[in-house]
Amino acid sequence: KQEVTQIPAALSVPEGENLVLNCSFTDSAIYNLQWFRQDPGKGLTSLLLIQSSQREQTSGRLNASLDKSSGRSTLYIAASQPGDSATYLCAPRTLNDYKLSFGAGTTVTVRA
Amino acid sequence: SAVISQKPSRDICQRGTSLTIQCQVDSQVTMMFWYRQQPGQSLTLIATANQGSEATYESGFVIDKFPISRPNLTFSTLTVSNMSPEDSSIYLCSGGDEKLFFGSGTQLSVL
Repeated sequence: KQEVTQIPAALSVPEGENLVLNCSFTDSAIYNLQWFRQDPGKGLTSLLLIQSSQREQTSGRLNASLDKSSGRSTLYIAASQPGDSATYLCAPRTLNDYKLSFGAGTTVTVRA
Repeated sequence: SAVISQKPSRDICQRGTSLTIQCQVDSQVTMMFWYRQQPGQSLTLIATANQGSEATYESGFVIDKFPISRPNLTFSTLTVSNMSPEDSSIYLCSGGDEKLFFGSGTQLSVL
Protein backbone atom coordinates (compact mmCIF):
# COMPACT_ATOMS: atom_id res chain seq x y z
CA LYS A 1 0.00 0.00 0.00
CA GLN A 2 1.29 3.44 -0.94
CA GLU A 3 2.21 5.57 2.08
CA VAL A 4 2.64 9.31 1.60
CA THR A 5 4.39 11.62 4.04
CA GLN A 6 4.43 15.39 3.81
CA ILE A 7 6.85 17.60 5.70
CA PRO A 8 6.42 20.04 7.31
CA ALA A 9 2.88 19.56 8.59
CA ALA A 10 2.49 23.34 8.90
CA LEU A 11 4.38 26.38 7.73
CA SER A 12 3.96 30.07 8.53
CA VAL A 13 5.95 32.63 6.57
CA PRO A 14 5.85 36.39 5.87
CA GLU A 15 4.65 37.50 2.47
CA GLY A 16 7.31 37.36 -0.23
CA GLU A 17 9.20 34.35 1.07
CA ASN A 18 9.70 31.28 -1.05
CA LEU A 19 8.03 28.08 0.14
CA VAL A 20 9.39 24.53 -0.03
CA LEU A 21 6.96 21.66 0.59
CA ASN A 22 8.26 18.13 0.71
CA CYS A 23 6.53 14.86 -0.12
CA SER A 24 7.82 11.29 0.10
CA PHE A 25 6.12 8.08 -0.98
CA THR A 26 6.96 4.43 -0.46
CA ASP A 27 6.02 2.82 -3.79
CA SER A 28 8.03 4.25 -6.69
CA ALA A 29 5.89 2.44 -9.30
CA ILE A 30 3.79 5.49 -10.02
CA TYR A 31 1.87 6.58 -13.11
CA ASN A 32 2.09 10.26 -12.24
CA LEU A 33 1.92 12.61 -9.26
CA GLN A 34 -0.42 15.52 -8.65
CA TRP A 35 -0.17 18.42 -6.27
CA PHE A 36 -3.46 19.83 -5.02
CA ARG A 37 -4.54 22.80 -3.00
CA GLN A 38 -7.44 22.64 -0.54
CA ASP A 39 -9.05 25.66 1.08
CA PRO A 40 -10.94 25.12 4.36
CA GLY A 41 -14.25 23.32 3.82
CA LYS A 42 -13.69 23.11 0.07
CA GLY A 43 -12.79 20.55 -2.54
CA LEU A 44 -9.38 20.05 -4.14
CA THR A 45 -7.89 22.19 -6.87
CA SER A 46 -5.28 20.55 -9.07
CA LEU A 47 -2.09 22.64 -9.22
CA LEU A 48 0.42 20.56 -11.11
CA LEU A 49 0.70 17.12 -12.62
CA ILE A 50 4.08 15.47 -13.16
CA GLN A 51 4.34 12.40 -15.33
CA SER A 52 6.49 9.57 -14.02
CA SER A 53 9.03 10.23 -16.81
CA GLN A 54 9.36 13.93 -15.96
CA ARG A 55 11.75 15.57 -13.51
CA GLU A 56 9.84 18.79 -13.01
CA GLN A 57 6.81 20.81 -14.00
CA THR A 58 6.20 24.55 -13.76
CA SER A 59 3.13 26.74 -13.70
CA GLY A 60 3.55 30.41 -12.91
CA ARG A 61 5.07 30.76 -9.44
CA LEU A 62 4.77 27.02 -8.83
CA ASN A 63 7.42 24.45 -9.61
CA ALA A 64 7.27 20.78 -8.71
CA SER A 65 10.11 18.32 -8.95
CA LEU A 66 9.96 14.54 -8.97
CA ASP A 67 12.62 11.98 -8.10
CA LYS A 68 10.69 8.80 -8.69
CA SER A 69 13.48 6.38 -7.81
CA SER A 70 13.89 7.87 -4.35
CA GLY A 71 10.16 8.41 -3.88
CA ARG A 72 10.26 12.17 -3.46
CA SER A 73 8.56 15.24 -4.82
CA THR A 74 8.97 18.87 -3.83
CA LEU A 75 6.65 21.80 -4.47
CA TYR A 76 8.26 25.24 -4.64
CA ILE A 77 6.13 28.37 -4.41
CA ALA A 78 7.99 31.56 -5.28
CA ALA A 79 7.28 34.96 -3.75
CA SER A 80 4.43 33.78 -1.54
CA GLN A 81 1.24 35.82 -1.14
CA PRO A 82 -1.51 35.74 1.51
CA GLY A 83 -3.76 34.14 -1.11
CA ASP A 84 -1.43 31.13 -1.11
CA SER A 85 -2.61 30.25 2.40
CA ALA A 86 -4.17 26.78 2.14
CA THR A 87 -3.41 23.10 2.67
CA TYR A 88 -1.26 21.54 -0.04
CA LEU A 89 -1.65 17.84 -0.78
CA CYS A 90 0.71 15.55 -2.63
CA ALA A 91 -0.88 12.57 -4.39
CA PRO A 92 1.06 9.93 -6.28
CA ARG A 93 -1.01 7.72 -8.56
CA THR A 94 0.04 4.10 -8.52
CA LEU A 95 0.70 2.30 -11.78
CA ASN A 96 -1.21 -0.91 -11.13
CA ASP A 97 -4.61 0.55 -10.21
CA TYR A 98 -4.40 4.28 -11.07
CA LYS A 99 -5.57 5.28 -7.61
CA LEU A 100 -4.42 8.46 -5.89
CA SER A 101 -2.95 8.20 -2.41
CA PHE A 102 -2.85 11.26 -0.21
CA GLY A 103 -0.56 12.54 2.48
CA ALA A 104 -1.83 14.51 5.45
CA GLY A 105 -0.86 17.73 3.73
CA THR A 106 1.12 20.84 4.57
CA THR A 107 -0.92 23.76 5.90
CA VAL A 108 0.59 27.02 4.75
CA THR A 109 -0.08 30.43 6.26
CA VAL A 110 1.35 33.48 4.52
CA ARG A 111 1.31 36.56 6.76
CA ALA A 112 0.74 39.98 5.20
CA SER B 1 -9.85 19.54 -18.12
CA ALA B 2 -13.03 18.29 -16.48
CA VAL B 3 -15.48 20.15 -14.30
CA ILE B 4 -17.15 18.09 -11.60
CA SER B 5 -20.42 19.15 -10.04
CA GLN B 6 -21.39 17.55 -6.77
CA LYS B 7 -24.62 17.90 -4.86
CA PRO B 8 -25.79 18.49 -2.28
CA SER B 9 -22.99 20.73 -1.05
CA ARG B 10 -24.01 20.12 2.53
CA ASP B 11 -26.70 18.38 4.50
CA ILE B 12 -27.72 17.71 8.07
CA CYS B 13 -29.29 14.30 8.53
CA GLN B 14 -30.86 12.26 11.27
CA ARG B 15 -29.33 9.07 12.57
CA GLY B 16 -30.59 5.99 10.74
CA THR B 17 -31.48 7.73 7.49
CA SER B 18 -29.68 7.60 4.14
CA LEU B 19 -28.30 10.29 1.86
CA THR B 20 -27.47 10.02 -1.83
CA ILE B 21 -24.74 12.26 -3.22
CA GLN B 22 -24.62 12.95 -6.93
CA CYS B 23 -21.53 13.60 -9.04
CA GLN B 24 -21.78 14.93 -12.61
CA VAL B 25 -18.77 15.38 -14.91
CA ASP B 26 -18.96 17.72 -17.89
CA SER B 27 -17.17 15.24 -20.14
CA GLN B 28 -16.76 11.48 -20.39
CA VAL B 29 -14.06 10.17 -18.09
CA THR B 30 -12.58 6.74 -17.67
CA MET B 31 -12.23 6.70 -13.93
CA MET B 32 -14.36 7.97 -11.06
CA PHE B 33 -13.60 7.64 -7.37
CA TRP B 34 -15.28 8.47 -4.08
CA TYR B 35 -13.31 9.76 -1.07
CA ARG B 36 -14.09 10.58 2.52
CA GLN B 37 -12.35 13.29 4.50
CA GLN B 38 -12.98 13.17 8.22
CA PRO B 39 -12.53 16.35 10.26
CA GLY B 40 -8.91 17.47 10.33
CA GLN B 41 -7.71 14.50 8.30
CA SER B 42 -6.63 13.76 4.77
CA LEU B 43 -8.58 11.95 2.10
CA THR B 44 -9.39 8.23 2.31
CA LEU B 45 -10.50 6.35 -0.78
CA ILE B 46 -13.89 4.67 -0.35
CA ALA B 47 -14.24 2.99 -3.73
CA THR B 48 -13.65 3.09 -7.45
CA ALA B 49 -16.90 3.58 -9.35
CA ASN B 50 -16.90 1.26 -12.36
CA GLN B 51 -19.13 1.99 -15.31
CA GLY B 52 -21.62 -0.79 -15.86
CA SER B 53 -20.39 -3.01 -13.05
CA GLU B 54 -20.12 -3.13 -9.28
CA ALA B 55 -17.84 -0.65 -7.55
CA THR B 56 -14.51 -1.77 -6.13
CA TYR B 57 -14.34 -1.01 -2.41
CA GLU B 58 -11.29 -0.33 -0.28
CA SER B 59 -10.62 -2.16 2.94
CA GLY B 60 -12.99 -1.01 5.65
CA PHE B 61 -15.77 0.07 3.29
CA VAL B 62 -18.66 -2.17 2.23
CA ILE B 63 -21.36 -2.01 -0.40
CA ASP B 64 -24.22 -2.26 2.07
CA LYS B 65 -23.08 0.89 3.82
CA PHE B 66 -21.87 2.84 0.76
CA PRO B 67 -23.72 1.65 -2.35
CA ILE B 68 -22.38 3.30 -5.50
CA SER B 69 -23.84 3.56 -8.96
CA ARG B 70 -22.19 4.59 -12.21
CA PRO B 71 -24.67 4.25 -15.08
CA ASN B 72 -22.48 6.03 -17.66
CA LEU B 73 -19.12 7.76 -18.14
CA THR B 74 -20.26 11.13 -16.75
CA PHE B 75 -22.33 10.36 -13.67
CA SER B 76 -22.06 8.54 -10.36
CA THR B 77 -23.85 8.45 -7.03
CA LEU B 78 -22.74 7.50 -3.54
CA THR B 79 -25.29 6.63 -0.88
CA VAL B 80 -24.40 6.78 2.79
CA SER B 81 -26.82 4.33 4.40
CA ASN B 82 -28.14 3.95 7.93
CA MET B 83 -26.13 6.94 9.04
CA SER B 84 -24.58 7.46 12.45
CA PRO B 85 -22.69 10.49 13.83
CA GLU B 86 -19.43 8.73 12.87
CA ASP B 87 -20.38 9.24 9.22
CA SER B 88 -20.10 13.02 9.62
CA SER B 89 -17.44 13.91 7.07
CA ILE B 90 -16.80 15.59 3.77
CA TYR B 91 -17.45 13.23 0.84
CA LEU B 92 -15.63 14.01 -2.40
CA CYS B 93 -16.09 12.75 -5.91
CA SER B 94 -13.13 12.57 -8.28
CA GLY B 95 -12.95 11.84 -11.98
CA GLY B 96 -10.65 12.04 -14.94
CA ASP B 97 -8.27 10.20 -17.15
CA GLU B 98 -4.61 11.23 -16.96
CA LYS B 99 -5.34 14.03 -14.52
CA LEU B 100 -7.92 13.67 -11.78
CA PHE B 101 -10.28 16.45 -10.83
CA PHE B 102 -12.42 16.84 -7.75
CA GLY B 103 -15.86 18.11 -6.96
CA SER B 104 -16.37 20.72 -4.27
CA GLY B 105 -17.45 18.09 -1.78
CA THR B 106 -20.51 17.30 0.32
CA GLN B 107 -20.28 18.27 3.96
CA LEU B 108 -22.43 15.80 5.88
CA SER B 109 -23.43 16.19 9.51
CA VAL B 110 -25.34 13.39 11.22
CA LEU B 111 -27.24 14.16 14.41
